[in-house]
Amino acid sequence: QVHLVQSGAEVKKPGASVKVSCKASGYTFTSFAITWVRQAPGQGLEWMGWISVHDGNTRYPQNLQDRVTMTTDTSTRTAYMELRSLRSDDTAVYYCARVRALEAGGIAYDNWGQGTLVTVSA
Amino acid sequence: DIVLTQSPDSLAVSLGERATIHCKSSQSVLHSSNNKNYLGWYQQKPGQPPKVLIYWASARESGVPDRFSGSGSGTDFTLTISSLQAEDVAVYYCQQYYDTPRVTFGGGTKVEIK
Repeated sequence: QVHLVQSGAEVKKPGASVKVSCKASGYTFTSFAITWVRQAPGQGLEWMGWISVHDGNTRYPQNLQDRVTMTTDTSTRTAYMELRSLRSDDTAVYYCARVRALEAGGIAYDNWGQGTLVTVSA
Repeated sequence: DIVLTQSPDSLAVSLGERATIHCKSSQSVLHSSNNKNYLGWYQQKPGQPPKVLIYWASARESGVPDRFSGSGSGTDFTLTISSLQAEDVAVYYCQQYYDTPRVTFGGGTKVEIK
């Protein structure tokens, strides 16, 4: 079955960068996009962007596009999310999820990683 | 960006009773070309990642119990749990994908047992 396994918790200082990995198994890696969603403590879900594993195309929200980069390594079936210039309000659990394409441009995030806690603190 | 507003923020329901969650969109997510509502619902249990329950506003994901149902169109949507079970304690989020890949989520509704 489908599994997405993320890297472990990180503690970073303000201004640093973090790179979270998401290793996929149980399906054809290049047939699905990967998206990243974060959740600050006690808060809701925030979409951080997505990457087409097939061709590497990315889309990011305007508020993060200058600081986030998403990549994949098809040889290891791993997706990566790097966030730079970290601030205290970047403290959150970061999730990767597989994007299932529905008909007519619809999508569903049908499998999720377990989450990676990133703490930004001086 | 499309803003989704959920209500209530939380609700407490007795076991076996109905739970109803609302999601209102700042603009219609009904695509006129195919008459589909680009809206889904997710369940997040404590300490777990979210799980998709519903897509196209009313289509149940495989394996989701039929006590979960979605309805609505345009800007107003509802998730109903017809007979609340203990395992349904969770936070529920609506999500729009009308502007795919730029999705947005509602603020969440916490469902507890009364």
